[in-house]
Amino acid sequence: KAGVTQTPRYLIKTRGQQVTLSCSPISGHRSVSWYQQTPGQGLQFLFEYFSETQRNKGNFPGRFSGRQFSNSRSEMNVSTLELGDSALYLCASSLEGGTGYTFGSGTRLTVV
Amino acid sequence: GESVGLHLPTLSVQEGDNSIINCAYSNSASDYFIWYKQESGKGPQFIIDIRSNMDKRQGQRVTVLLNKTVKHLSLQIAATQPGDSAVYFCAENRDSGAGSYQLTFGKGTKLSVIP
Repeated sequence: KAGVTQTPRYLIKTRGQQVTLSCSPISGHRSVSWYQQTPGQGLQFLFEYFSETQRNKGNFPGRFSGRQFSNSRSEMNVSTLELGDSALYLCASSLEGGTGYTFGSGTRLTVV
Repeated sequence: GESVGLHLPTLSVQEGDNSIINCAYSNSASDYFIWYKQESGKGPQFIIDIRSNMDKRQGQRVTVLLNKTVKHLSLQIAATQPGDSAVYFCAENRDSGAGSYQLTFGKGTKLSVIP
């Protein structure tokens, strides 16, 4: 079966702009989680969506937001980009959360 | 504060030798742990997991050991191969309430296999 698909793979944005990243989970998976990966902070939890509802949120500013659609596809948005937002953004899907996570290959965001 | 961490940032082993990657965790209430492998340009890939009611679990060439007394987790890779070269993360699956869980990752250990 198809894995978790994240688009785009690479993005370059300018400070102050906003960006939207997309994640298509494995068919049948209803939970989608997002993580930010940087060399300094490692992998950090952003938020989790389940059945179109944000169920959990990590310690990130309000500039980071997301949503989930009825087909379980999820998007995350970062507004007013800062240089420190440069990172690999990963999403992971699972049936209902809690176990069986499958990660996508990520979106590499560079803010200049 | 609570965290999941790794003891060594890098590990080099000869091809064919066994590798041991260690991890310490601090949340004694955690009941589920996962090891991931991440290759360059890819997302984390599941290797093996273990629940807190177990001390050991074996997969194909991999074994995870859990010592709850000292809150220590290790991943053993038998007969390490060049394809095992990657960054390895341990992760703690924490219950965040309301049916939600989140993974808390360690910093990672980069394993290099010397041919």
